[in-house]
Amino acid sequence: QVQLVESGGGVVQPGGSLRLSCAASGFIFSHYGMHWVRQAPGKGLEWVAFIKYGGSDKYYADSVKGRFTISRDNSKNTLYLQMNSLRGEDTALYYCAKDRLIYGTYEPASWGQGTLVTVSS
Amino acid sequence: EIVLTQSPGTLSLSPGERATLSCRASQSISSNSLAWYQQKPGQAPRLLIYGASSRATGIPDIFSGSGSGTDFTLTISRLEPEDFAVYYCQHHSRSPPRYTFGQGTKLEIK
Repeated sequence: QVQLVESGGGVVQPGGSLRLSCAASGFIFSHYGMHWVRQAPGKGLEWVAFIKYGGSDKYYADSVKGRFTISRDNSKNTLYLQMNSLRGEDTALYYCAKDRLIYGTYEPASWGQGTLVTVSS
Repeated sequence: EIVLTQSPGTLSLSPGERATLSCRASQSISSNSLAWYQQKPGQAPRLLIYGASSRATGIPDIFSGSGSGTDFTLTISRLEPEDFAVYYCQHHSRSPPRYTFGQGTKLEIK
């Protein structure tokens, strides 16, 4: 079955950087678009970024554009999120999620359990 | 940018009752682009409904979605104790891909 395991979260100072990873298994990773979605403590869901199955097309929320970079290594079945110039408002649980269907742009359908990023001095 | 407004913010009902949750879009959207998620405390969200009315894999038929244009509804026909959770609607656009969530409706036990 689909498994998504995020890692790389932690405490970082404002202005710092962090790289999140998401190890995928149980499906053909290279066939699916992948998302990062975050949730600030006690708050709702916010979409962060999406990368198409091939890896060349990437899309970002305005709140992170220019600071975050989504990427993937299809040979390693792994999704990444490079986060630079971190701010307090980036503090959240970061989920990776698999698109519902192959080769297109659909809803996040399967989710990991998340990794917590805390931006604090 | 599409804004999704969910109502009510909190819904208090008893097990066995019917729940009706609303999601209103700031402009008309395609039904194909509207989804619903359930999130229980300490858990990741779970996709319930996509395309406004299609149940995701493994979702029981007590959950149903409907609507078009700007007004969409998630209905839970008979509440079980495990259905009390937060529910989010979500819109996605294809070109370019962008995703927006509503602020959520908390369904709590009365």
